Amino acid sequence: DTAVSQTPKYLVTQMGNDKSIKCEQNLGHDTMYWYKQDSKKFLKIMFSYNNKELIINETVPNRFSPKSPDKAHLNLHINSLELGDSAVYFCASSTGTAAYGYTFGSGTRLTVV
Amino acid sequence: GQNIDQPTEMTATEGAIVQINCTYQTSGFNGLFWYQQHAGEAPTFLSYNVLDGLEEKGRFSSFLSRSKGYSYLLLKELQMKDSASYLCAVHASGGSYIPTFGRGTSLIVHP
Repeated sequence: DTAVSQTPKYLVTQMGNDKSIKCEQNLGHDTMYWYKQDSKKFLKIMFSYNNKELIINETVPNRFSPKSPDKAHLNLHINSLELGDSAVYFCASSTGTAAYGYTFGSGTRLTVV
Repeated sequence: GQNIDQPTEMTATEGAIVQINCTYQTSGFNGLFWYQQHAGEAPTFLSYNVLDGLEEKGRFSSFLSRSKGYSYLLLKELQMKDSASYLCAVHASGGSYIPTFGRGTSLIVHP
């Protein structure tokens, strides 16, 4: 049983296109996140949702729009893709207790050409 | 803001012990995470330190000194499968409670 699953695993697309990445968790966690990991391996928070409500929106272009239809799902839609959006995007979830850490999905490698 | 510093790369020999250091500067502090990330895979949670001292979990131990803004991850009896990136992340107090990650230390274990 996959705890945090995201699809697709790989995404190659042209500049200017619109794409979505889906994420689902079956852990019963209340909080979900989107992280971006660039070529230098920094993991940067993009968004955080708690019980379907947006609680964190870091400095991310408004071309990126998260959607949480229920607390088990957090999807990421990206409009007008740019070359600089190429990265690995990780979905993650957590309970309210930091001591248990975050559970990450396997990542989506987005390549914009 | 927060500043987290860790070495970019380390190498070690199978069976040896390696210590990966992390220093941080933050305006407030709740705790510090260590994650392991194998190439092309998701980060996996290793430890979370809130209080000063050493916490041991099998071959891996994590140490924290809040007054020095310093932590280390100690890996004993190294195995080839320990070759991975090790990410330090600081959980600051106040604000969003979202941890800030360092760039990670790439550990290469060779025979």
